[in-house]
Amino acid sequence: EDKVVQSPLSLVVHEGDTVTLNCSYEVTNFRSLLWYKQEKKAPTFLFMLTSSGIEKKSGRLSSILDKKELSSILNITATQTGDSAIYLCAVGGSNYKLTFGKGTLLTVNP
Amino acid sequence: NAGVTQTPKFQVLKTGQSMTLQCAQDMNHNSMYWYRQDPGMGLRLIYYSASEGTTDKGEVPNGYNVSRLNKREFSLRLESAAPSQTSVYFCASREDSTDTQYFGPGTRLTVL
Repeated sequence: EDKVVQSPLSLVVHEGDTVTLNCSYEVTNFRSLLWYKQEKKAPTFLFMLTSSGIEKKSGRLSSILDKKELSSILNITATQTGDSAIYLCAVGGSNYKLTFGKGTLLTVNP
Repeated sequence: NAGVTQTPKFQVLKTGQSMTLQCAQDMNHNSMYWYRQDPGMGLRLIYYSASEGTTDKGEVPNGYNVSRLNKREFSLRLESAAPSQTSVYFCASREDSTDTQYFGPGTRLTVL
């Protein structure tokens, strides 16, 4: 059974801090790892990492895939209150299905 | 370009009632998915459709049925709702040849 574990489950920081969110996985036929941001509604896509693209960066957000350690991190620098959300990690395996972790709830206080 | 749309946004049912959740996408994607999201459980796959005319069970299919009406539309039906089906339901479609899925705004369902 495919498994994705995220840590920490929740995190409270102050504006301007840097945070690192973790995701580890056990997936048969790994193809990709995806990060999503979920505010009050639907998850919105952030990054997809694959064997051929193990690092992605967009503004203050960046992510790295470590295929040896079967894990990924999502870094957010200079956090803002608008970064407050649940961050979901998902791994693509067989039949183009995604297995999701339970998410990390990030709260950024002013 | 609306992406993925879902109706209704909210619904309250009594135990035993039936209802259909509607989902449509305008991105010309072949694959579509239904998930439920419960506190502390993450997103769990109910059913998916790899292409028009095909559907398959996901992790938690019991109590649900689906119909892939055409390439755009994928509906989820609860034949006899139970309180355990109280949840937020998300529909998603997948960009062809990648794993990236795009989600609709969700339906919050309460079964009393």
